[in-house]
Amino acid sequence: EDQVTQSPEALRLQEGESSSLNCSYTVSGLRGLFWYRQDPGKGPEFLFTLYSAGEEKEKERLKATLTKKESFLHITAPKPEDSATYLCAVQGNTGFQKLVFGTGTRLLVSP
Amino acid sequence: EAGVTQFPSHSVIEKGQTVTLRCDPISGHDNLYWYRRVMGKEIKFLLHFVKESKQDESGMPNNRFLAERTGGTYSTLKVQPAELEDSGVYFCASSQDFRNSPFEDNEQFFGPGTRLTVL
Repeated sequence: EDQVTQSPEALRLQEGESSSLNCSYTVSGLRGLFWYRQDPGKGPEFLFTLYSAGEEKEKERLKATLTKKESFLHITAPKPEDSATYLCAVQGNTGFQKLVFGTGTRLLVSP
Repeated sequence: EAGVTQFPSHSVIEKGQTVTLRCDPISGHDNLYWYRRVMGKEIKFLLHFVKESKQDESGMPNNRFLAERTGGTYSTLKVQPAELEDSGVYFCASSQDFRNSPFEDNEQFFGPGTRLTVL
């Protein structure tokens, strides 16, 4: 059964203090690993898709990387507006398109 | 471009009642998904439509849940009769047909969710 584990559960940073969020996964065959951002009371907002080990993608202060067992979301010099819950999900290569989510990391960036 | 919309945003019902949730996907998206997040747990898949056909309903918890997508446009998810454990946030998502661009981002776009409370 496909499984995603995210750590830490919660992270508090000072503005400008860089850090990384971890997503460990087990999947029978990986079609894609997805990162989403979720603000309170809203639905998940798509950030990145990674398809193969070694791949990296960047967007503003965020960079996502992928290995065969885990993905990292690196946040460089975060700002208070980066505060949100970050969700990781995998899509297996079974022909079905469902996403399997982790429980997320709640990030709070203080000014 | 309008995003995925869901109605209602909140619903409070009593155990044993019926509730129907509605999702309007992004125009032109053949794929429509339902997910659910119960308190303190991860978002979990319920089912997937391709146009009006159910492609995968492996996540539907039991036969009190009925999803439809007549005409391949909007979808409804009916819970009848509702139980206390059905409380949570129900998300709908949509995506284009990935076979049109298999190596491009196949992201699923999520709606804001419907918060269901069963008392």
